[in-house]
Amino acid sequence: AQKVTQAQTEISVVEKEDVTLDCVYETRDTTYYLFWYKQPPSGELVFLIRRNSFDEQNEISGRYSWNFQKSTSSFNFTITASQVVDSAVYFCALSSREGSQGNLIFGKGTKLSVKP
Amino acid sequence: DTGVSQNPRHKITKRGQNVTFRCDPISEHNRLYWYRQTLGQGPEFLTYFQNEAQLEKSRLLSDRFSAERPKGSFSTLEIQRTEQGDSAMYLCASSLQGTLGPQPQHFGDGTRLSIL
Repeated sequence: AQKVTQAQTEISVVEKEDVTLDCVYETRDTTYYLFWYKQPPSGELVFLIRRNSFDEQNEISGRYSWNFQKSTSSFNFTITASQVVDSAVYFCALSSREGSQGNLIFGKGTKLSVKP
Repeated sequence: DTGVSQNPRHKITKRGQNVTFRCDPISEHNRLYWYRQTLGQGPEFLTYFQNEAQLEKSRLLSDRFSAERPKGSFSTLEIQRTEQGDSAMYLCASSLQGTLGPQPQHFGDGTRLSIL
């Protein structure tokens, strides 16, 4: 069965601290896709990244970086030098053929609060 | 570039009434998805369309729920005989159909349904 676990319900940091959001997934498929979305207080889910199961290279985009490790079934997200605008709920999601051709299985999310 | 548009933003209704929500996807996107999100949870998949064809429905989608996408453009989600448990945020997303795995889904602001 497919499952995404985000064990951290809430994290609070002070501005400029680095923070890592954990994501652990389960699937029986060898081909699958992982996503991160940001949901700010305004409510709209914003796409951040898509990673397929064959690409284990870490990715960096500005202050954001992602660490994909198939050996531990994890796809963690790090924000470097956090800012108040990073405050949001962050969701990790999984898509694989085990479930469907297109729907996403979301974790419960991690609420990040960045204090000035 | 127009994003995914959902109407209304908020809907308050009495238990037992019927409600209908509308979603206008990004114009060139042929896939359209409906999700439901309750407080403190990640979005849960309800159904999705490829053009006008409804390709998958979740077990969450009871007989009281029906979705349509006539002509493969906008979509409507109707809930008949609403119940207290239907109170949630209903999210619509759209994407292109990818040849290399599922493409990122772009979400609307959602319709918040409150059942009195």
